[in-house]
Amino acid sequence: KQEVTQIPAALSVPEGENLVLNCSFTDSAIYNLQWFRQDPGKGLTSLLLIQSSQREQTSGRLNASLDKSSGRSTLYIAASQPGDSATYLCAVRLLETGNQFYFGTGTSLTVIP
Amino acid sequence: NAGVMQNPRHLVRRRGQEARLRCSPMKGHSHVYWYRQLPEEGLKFMVYLQKENIIDESGMPKERFSAEFPKEGPSILRIQQVVRGDSAAYFCASSPDPGGISNEQFFGPGTRLTVL
Repeated sequence: KQEVTQIPAALSVPEGENLVLNCSFTDSAIYNLQWFRQDPGKGLTSLLLIQSSQREQTSGRLNASLDKSSGRSTLYIAASQPGDSATYLCAVRLLETGNQFYFGTGTSLTVIP
Repeated sequence: NAGVMQNPRHLVRRRGQEARLRCSPMKGHSHVYWYRQLPEEGLKFMVYLQKENIIDESGMPKERFSAEFPKEGPSILRIQQVVRGDSAAYFCASSPDPGGISNEQFFGPGTRLTVL
């Protein structure tokens, strides 16, 4: 069974700081990995999708990396802003059961103005 | 192109009543996924449907829960005889054709079910 862990569970940083969120997964036979943000009481917004053959994806101030062999992904946020405050979720899809995502419990980020 | 729509956004039911949650996928998407987020827990997969077919229901509780995605209209997640433990946020996601594991899933805003 795939276990997805996100560390830290909560993070508070001053505005402008660069930060890294971590995601680890136990089964490296993944098809892809997706990072989402979830605002309080809201749905999920897709940030980046990394296929298993890729090493990283970038979108604006966000960069996600994937090391499939070690079962790790990181989300790097450059020059953080108060609007980045949200819960960040990573989710993986397995080769074997590709329909479903396995989600981590998220990292709650607060960016202090 | 409107995103994935879910209604109602909030639903309150008393124990023993039925809850019906609706999901309209993005235009052109024929693959729908339902997830449940219990308080203080991560999202858990429930069911994957294509038009008129249930493809994978490995995450669905064996009793009281059912899902459908008819040829016309939204996908429906139905919970019969709700209990307090069913209180959660239920999210729907859709993916485009051709569906499958290479495509992104786009999530709706969720339905927050409270069982009194």
